[in-house]
Amino acid sequence: AQKVTQAQTEISVVEKEDVTLDCVYETRDTTYYLFWYKQPPSGELVFLIRRNSFDEQNEISGRYSWNFQKSTSSFNFTITASQVVDSAVYFCALESGATNKLIFGTGTLLAVQP
Amino acid sequence: GAGVSQTPSNKVTEKGKYVELRCDPISGHTALYWYRQSLGQGPEFLIYFQGTGAADDSGLPNDRFFAVRPEGSVSTLKIQRTERGDSAVYLCASSLSTGTDTQYFGPGTRLTVL
Repeated sequence: AQKVTQAQTEISVVEKEDVTLDCVYETRDTTYYLFWYKQPPSGELVFLIRRNSFDEQNEISGRYSWNFQKSTSSFNFTITASQVVDSAVYFCALESGATNKLIFGTGTLLAVQP
Repeated sequence: GAGVSQTPSNKVTEKGKYVELRCDPISGHTALYWYRQSLGQGPEFLIYFQGTGAADDSGLPNDRFFAVRPEGSVSTLKIQRTERGDSAVYLCASSLSTGTDTQYFGPGTRLTVL
């Protein structure tokens, strides 16, 4: 079975704190893709990153970084020096077995307080 | 360029009525996807099109749901005999092609069945 688990339902931090959002996935396929999307209060899902199963290199984009570890089936997302504009629901998603379907976790609501 | 657009943004209907939700993908994108997002949940796959044909409709919950994409661009999701349980945000996404190209989402249509 394919599954994505985001155990953190809600996280609240104060501006400028670093925060890590956890994502654990399950799949038996050897080829798969992992994604993170941001859903601000406006509701539109905004694509952040895609990573394939053969590339375990960590990635950094500005204040955002991602840590992919196949050994623990995790694809965690860290925001450094958080800002109020980072407040949103963040979804981790899996596409596996060339199904073309995204399987989403239940999301983590991040609230950044000024 | 223009992103994925969806109309209407909100739709309120009565139980038993028929509704149509429209999606206009990013120009040049051949793959189009429909997802449904219930409150507090991640999006769930409904159906996807490659060109004009529905390549996978395994996520449609029952035969009251149907989708078309007659010219390989705009798609319409049709729901017959709506039920209160159909209330959700219906999200559309498009990608350049299938084969795990990144899916870009529209703003969604919030459907409320009274």
